[in-house]
Amino acid sequence: DSGVTQTPKHLITATGQRVTLRCSPRSGDLSVYWYQQSLDQGLQFLIQYYNGEERAKGNILERFSAQQFPDLHSELNLSSLELGDSALYFCASSPPVDRGYEQYFGPGTRLTVT
Amino acid sequence: AQKITQTQPGMFVQEKEAVTLDCTYDTSDQSYGLFWYKQPSSGEMIFLIYQGSYDEQNATEGRYSLNFQKARKSANLVISASQLGDSAMYFCAMREAFYNQGGKLIFGQGTELSVKP
Repeated sequence: DSGVTQTPKHLITATGQRVTLRCSPRSGDLSVYWYQQSLDQGLQFLIQYYNGEERAKGNILERFSAQQFPDLHSELNLSSLELGDSALYFCASSPPVDRGYEQYFGPGTRLTVT
Repeated sequence: AQKITQTQPGMFVQEKEAVTLDCTYDTSDQSYGLFWYKQPSSGEMIFLIYQGSYDEQNATEGRYSLNFQKARKSANLVISASQLGDSAMYFCAMREAFYNQGGKLIFGQGTELSVKP
C-alpha cells in the first residue's frame, strides 16, 4: 500500500459525459501528479500540483482539468468524454525534494467510455 | 528532449535465476533521477528503486539493484533470485530536474517479465 488513495476504482460512462476522479496523497506529500496509461500512448504525464498551485502541465487535453484543494487532495475532471479517453488514470504524490525524490502511485482509476 | 528507451518488450527467466532489464535514457539535464516501477497484472504501479544522477554507488533494494552507467546513459535493473511473483511489467522512468519542486516522470514502454517455474 503506497499510502496514495484514488476513487473510484472503476468508472464506466458514456461518450459526451463528464467524470471526476479523486486522489488523496500520502501524508506529508505536497505534490500531486496525474498520469494516463493507455495501450497506444503508454504512460503519459498530464499535470502536477504543488501545495495547491499548478506546477507543470503535460499533454493534457483542454477537455481535462484538475485542481488541488487546501487539504491537498486533488481532483481530475474529464469532460465531453470520447472513446479514446478510456484508460487507467493514476495519481502519484511525492514529498518536497529536500525530503525525497520518489513518486508513489495510487491504485488507479480505470475509466471505460462506451 | 528527455527520452527513456526499453528495448526488450518481453523477457523470460527461470525461477531463482538473475535477470537484467535494460533501460537507456537521454537528457541534457545534469541533475535527474532514474526509477524503476513494477506493474503486476492487477494494475498498480509499485516503486522499486531510485538512482540519483550524482550518486556514485549503484542503488540496491533487497533483490533489486540498479546498474547505473552514466557515460553510457544506461540504468539497467537487475533482479536476483527471481520469484514467480516477479512476473509483471517493469517500467523505467526518469524524473527531470527537481528545481521548483517540479519533476514529472517520463516512462519507457515497459518490459514484460515472465518467470518460469
